[in-house]
Amino acid sequence: DVKVTQSSRYLVKRTGEKVFLECVQDMDHENMFWYRQDPGLGLRLIYFSYDVKMKEKGDIPEGYSVSREKKERFSLILESASTNQTSMYLCASSPGGVRQTEQYFGPGTRLTVT
Amino acid sequence: GNSVTQMEGPVTLSEEAFLTINCTYTATGYPSLFWYVQYPGEGLQLLLKATKADDKGSNKGFEATYRKETTSFHLEKGSVQVSDSAVYFCALSVGTALIFGKGTTLSVSS
Repeated sequence: DVKVTQSSRYLVKRTGEKVFLECVQDMDHENMFWYRQDPGLGLRLIYFSYDVKMKEKGDIPEGYSVSREKKERFSLILESASTNQTSMYLCASSPGGVRQTEQYFGPGTRLTVT
Repeated sequence: GNSVTQMEGPVTLSEEAFLTINCTYTATGYPSLFWYVQYPGEGLQLLLKATKADDKGSNKGFEATYRKETTSFHLEKGSVQVSDSAVYFCALSVGTALIFGKGTTLSVSS
């Protein structure tokens, strides 16, 4: 079974802090994704990566950056957290070279910025 | 552009009732279609998928048929259980990324 793990289930941070959300997958997938999930808005793509050190902006990249130094790990960084970044963050992965395939999701990190 | 529209919730049903959650899509090209489920406090799990027109995806008693002529992928289950209470997301893929609908919350009471 594919396993995608996220470093924290719940996180509380203060406005202006730098926040790191970590995601690790164990199936040697090339593609990794970060989404945020908000009530009434569904899932929105923040960034994705199709290879080590490669990244692409999604629909809502403002206020976020990402890092992928190793194939299995994809980090989401909030440079200066703001209250409007309070949300559920979901990481996902999928195999490369296969178009239109399903993604495998982690359990999510619920981030609260106060 | 590509988009997914699914019926607004919440949907409230009694155990053993019939379930339909509507999903329609707009896409360039020939997308694959998915239904994901999110149980309380968890991430998303793939429920079923279909990769071409007229394909039927099925899993755990749920079914959905890829209808190209109506650009639809409606989710159905003949007899829901309390354990089916969750949020259901319809999604499409025309490349690497997935595009999700906004989700439909299903509550099933005994």
